[in-house]
Amino acid sequence: DTGVSQDPRHKITKRGQNVTFRCDPISEHNRLYWYRQTLGQGPEFLTYFQNEAQLEKSRLLSDRFSAERPKGSFSTLEIQRTEQGDSAMYLCASSPHLAGGGNEQFFGPGTRLTVL
Amino acid sequence: AQKITQTQPGMFVQEKEAVTLDCTYDTSDQSYGLFWYKQPSSGEMIFLIYQGSYDEQNATEGRYSLNFQKARKSANLVISASQLGDSAMYFCAMREYQRSQGNLIFGKGTKLSVKP
Repeated sequence: DTGVSQDPRHKITKRGQNVTFRCDPISEHNRLYWYRQTLGQGPEFLTYFQNEAQLEKSRLLSDRFSAERPKGSFSTLEIQRTEQGDSAMYLCASSPHLAGGGNEQFFGPGTRLTVL
Repeated sequence: AQKITQTQPGMFVQEKEAVTLDCTYDTSDQSYGLFWYKQPSSGEMIFLIYQGSYDEQNATEGRYSLNFQKARKSANLVISASQLGDSAMYFCAMREYQRSQGNLIFGKGTKLSVKP
């Protein structure tokens, strides 16, 4: 299967701990997005990479959050000093960069974070 | 203000009948795209259909069609011949090509339940 993969699928942590999530996009896609989805809501944009460059960050991305995409392949999202409000599903998506604009984003299965 | 509004938290439809899921949007960009995604209980986001703001014809993909009314800023999803497997959350999303680098703005979703 060559879809978007995320690891881990589930993470339970204690408040104050750091966590890191990984996303492997579809190999030929140069755009990668991170979203957060809380219960009963649609996904909310966190940040976006084109190749290795982080081009846009949402105001939702506090200074406790950091994302990287070294070498323009996989990406990691780290949350430092987790808080209970960080509990959510973290979704990664990738898309190609093609002319025309209608490039759907392909989503991974998500990482469900629970902060106790 | 909400950029994407989905006013139906939940909808029921009888198997084999058609159903319309509502979506209205708000943007000042001239160039934008509208997307519909399906999210089953397993959590993955599945792309269904796309409509560009300059597309004159309504988009269709199999049993899915998008009723695009630009003047009313609405982009309703029509599912024909509903199947039990269509039971899921459905999200309308928008991408503003002038304002952003490509992130999607999602609505809160509509939970569709198909009755046998």
